[in-house]
Amino acid sequence: QVQLVQSGAEVKKPGASVKVSCKVSGYTLTELSMHWVRQAPGKGLEWMGGFDPEDGETIYAQKFQGRVTMTEDTSTDTAYMELSSLRSEDTAVYYCATDPGISPPRFDPWGQGTLVTVSS
Amino acid sequence: QPVLTQPPSSSASPGESARLTCTLPSDINVGSYNIYWYQQKPGSPPRYLLYYYSDSDKGQGSGVPSRFSGSKDASANTGILLISGLQSEDEADYYCMIWPSILFGGGTKLTVL
Repeated sequence: QVQLVQSGAEVKKPGASVKVSCKVSGYTLTELSMHWVRQAPGKGLEWMGGFDPEDGETIYAQKFQGRVTMTEDTSTDTAYMELSSLRSEDTAVYYCATDPGISPPRFDPWGQGTLVTVSS
Repeated sequence: QPVLTQPPSSSASPGESARLTCTLPSDINVGSYNIYWYQQKPGSPPRYLLYYYSDSDKGQGSGVPSRFSGSKDASANTGILLISGLQSEDEADYYCMIWPSILFGGGTKLTVL
């Protein structure tokens, strides 16, 4: 059974960067496709990007291209999401969510979420 | 503004059924996509409930009661989540999603009166 444990809450100033981690247990990261979804306070879910196993590449939502980088450390089974040039609108809970590789793809399970607050 | 349209709120009484809708834009044919549904309770991450493509191609998430089921209304280009025998614990936000152009609906807050 896959479990995802994310890093703790962060407070950042506008213009800074944040890097959120997501530790996988129960499976190895290479068996999964990791995605990132965020949720602004009181708002809905917004997909940021994730690994496409068909292409073997990480794809990013157009809105975040150039500002987000998703990486993986397979030696520690940890995925990372780094968002740069932060602004107040980036204040949100950031979730990692995995596609377990069972057809059809889906987000199951999710990490517990990491609150990122952007404030001067 | 989310591309998939969900009513912001819905309500029903315990024991009744709730029908939550997810309308796709006209340039995305609901018949060509799996429609996924997620449940989110306050302070918790979303939980995968099910996907629905057709009556012969659908799937339930692990541990999800059979009271939750999916369907489509092709004439309305809409995906549907039906929750029968409502319980107080079903009170939550519900989000629809499509894949591979991963898009979420804006969510529906379900109140169990």
